[in-house]
Amino acid sequence: KNQVEQSPQSLIILEGKNCTLQCNYTVSPFSNLRWYKQDTGRGPVSLTIMTFSENTKSNGRYTATLDADTKQSSLHITASQLSDSASYICVGALLNYGGSQGNLIFGKGTKLSVKP
Amino acid sequence: DAGVTQSPTHLIKTRGQQVTLRCSPKSGHDTVSWYQQALGQGPQFIFQYYEEEERQRGNFPDRFSGHQFPNYSSELNVNALLLGDSALYLCASSFLSSNEQFFGPGTRLTVL
Repeated sequence: KNQVEQSPQSLIILEGKNCTLQCNYTVSPFSNLRWYKQDTGRGPVSLTIMTFSENTKSNGRYTATLDADTKQSSLHITASQLSDSASYICVGALLNYGGSQGNLIFGKGTKLSVKP
Repeated sequence: DAGVTQSPTHLIKTRGQQVTLRCSPKSGHDTVSWYQQALGQGPQFIFQYYEEEERQRGNFPDRFSGHQFPNYSSELNVNALLLGDSALYLCASSFLSSNEQFFGPGTRLTVL
């Protein structure tokens, strides 16, 4: 069964601190792994997209890693800011026959709260 | 350049009613996907439209139907609403050949 599991479910950190969010995925056939940031009541915004051949990708203070062998990914946030408070969703994309991208399998997200 | 837009922002319906949600894709995008996101959950894929045809479908009943227009905009229709249909409905647009989807702000549907 295709699924994406994230941990922790929620996290509270102080402004300026770093944190790492975890994602385990079972997505087959696999196309790519993404991380999205979703503010409450808003649509998700893409942070990173990685294929199986990429093991790290950065977007500003966000750095995602991918281990295709263990099917694990992490999102590291450096020097957190109050505006980083949001849900962070790990998403696995299926590969369609013919090579095009198929459905997206979403995790439930990690709710991050950054406190002053 | 406008991003993905959705209307209405919020909607309240009662059980058994029907609802239509609308989505305008990002300029130039030809593919629209719809997702249902229950409170505290990740989005669940409903279906995807390309060239006015339903291209892929998730595990949702036939009460959920859609349409894509020649200008690539799309509608999601839900018939015989149930309390469990209360959720944030997200529309995402993309090029069919692209990995990247852009999400709209969503429509919050409440079924009483």
